[in-house]
Amino acid sequence: AQKITQTQPGMFVQEKEAVTLDCTYDTSDQSYGLFWYKQPSSGEMIFLIYQGSYDEQNATEGRYSLNFQKARKSANLVISASQLGDSAMYFCAMRETDNAGNMLTFGGGTRLMVKP
Amino acid sequence: SQTIHQWPATLVQPVGSPLSLECTVEGTSNPNLYWYRQAAGRGLQLLFYSVGIGQISSEVPQNLSASRPQDRQFILSSKKLLLSDSGFYLCAWSVTILTNEKLFFGSGTQLSVL
Repeated sequence: AQKITQTQPGMFVQEKEAVTLDCTYDTSDQSYGLFWYKQPSSGEMIFLIYQGSYDEQNATEGRYSLNFQKARKSANLVISASQLGDSAMYFCAMRETDNAGNMLTFGGGTRLMVKP
Repeated sequence: SQTIHQWPATLVQPVGSPLSLECTVEGTSNPNLYWYRQAAGRGLQLLFYSVGIGQISSEVPQNLSASRPQDRQFILSSKKLLLSDSGFYLCAWSVTILTNEKLFFGSGTQLSVL
């Protein structure tokens, strides 16, 4: 079964508008971490934001915020005031505590395209 | 500060040829090291990870192998490449095993097997 599901393969958003990228996850751990990465066309992976399973408040980092709904097992990324430079692939990822190698499991990604 | 170097940036190899991709990390000791592969337009698939010298764990059976001859060096290899080995290969590292520890990625290698 997929541990991380991103149901939107591609999305368009108008410049300066907000956009929500969906992510649902599957884990039986009580303690886990959720991450979002951005991958521009250059291929590098850029860390955006982190949410811990015990964090009571939604994480925010500048224009990025994470809408964390633990009961629904969702961790959607919200980008406010979209900019042309936000056009990229976005990946949701999870780390579980029962994880000897401390690796991240990634979703399939969402390609975001910002329209001028 | 810590940096990660991955090379080459692009590689075109014929089917059946060997492969060696190298990744080195600077500015940290005993990092956890990872190799991920990304097929075109797809997510990242973990191939190998290493928590120490000579310690390699494989996540997916395949035509590839990994080695860690030194603390901060991680090598991805193949004796005979297949067409299906084409993809974007990313090396990454982390320090702790804490849940909130993010991965730091290299700049990637685009491998085309023809």
